[in-house]
Amino acid sequence: EAGVAQSPRYKIIEKRQSVAFWCNPISGHATLYWYQQILGQGPKLLIQFQNNGVVDDSQLPKDRFSAERLKGVDSTLKIQPAKLEDSAVYLCASSPLSTEQYFGPGTRLTVT
Amino acid sequence: DAKTTQPTSMDCAEGRAANLPCNHSTISGNEYVYWYRQIHSQGPQYIIHGLKNNETNEMASLIITEDRKSSTLILPHATLRDTAVYYCIVRVVYNFNKFYFGSGTKLNVKP
Repeated sequence: EAGVAQSPRYKIIEKRQSVAFWCNPISGHATLYWYQQILGQGPKLLIQFQNNGVVDDSQLPKDRFSAERLKGVDSTLKIQPAKLEDSAVYLCASSPLSTEQYFGPGTRLTVT
Repeated sequence: DAKTTQPTSMDCAEGRAANLPCNHSTISGNEYVYWYRQIHSQGPQYIIHGLKNNETNEMASLIITEDRKSSTLILPHATLRDTAVYYCIVRVVYNFNKFYFGSGTKLNVKP
């Protein structure tokens, strides 16, 4: 079965610019997650979707970050405007209703 | 949510067993212990999980103490490709399958 797909793999932008990341989860997985992973740290959950509804976005900086999951499948995560501290790897994961999460390769964002 | 404590790093000789400890002394009865690993520049990969019984699969074994306050992930014959950061996670069962990652243990497998 195909894994979680993410694009782009790498992105370099200047501060105050905007950027968007795309995720295509494993077919049939109802739950989708976006994580932020800063160098040297473990992944931090930003937002969790159950189908196309938001289950948890308590760690999402809502003044600059937004995410949507239209039709309960693909998802996009947007940052506008970006700050230097947003430099990180953004990971998407999906899960069936029960157990483990499956992660994509991530998008490495560098803000200069 | 239960916290986990892991050593920052560990070394292991290639071909030997790697035993990675995790402390989760505040775990509650309905929380599972999950292990993931992250090889450099890749997304985390699921290894194994358990509630209270020991578990084994093709990748590893998970030993959970009787009081469930700690666990050990065992890679029986470590290879250089097992060099990675290993995360021990306690899953909050009632909270839509949410995971909290700590900083993990960097396992260095040496020839």
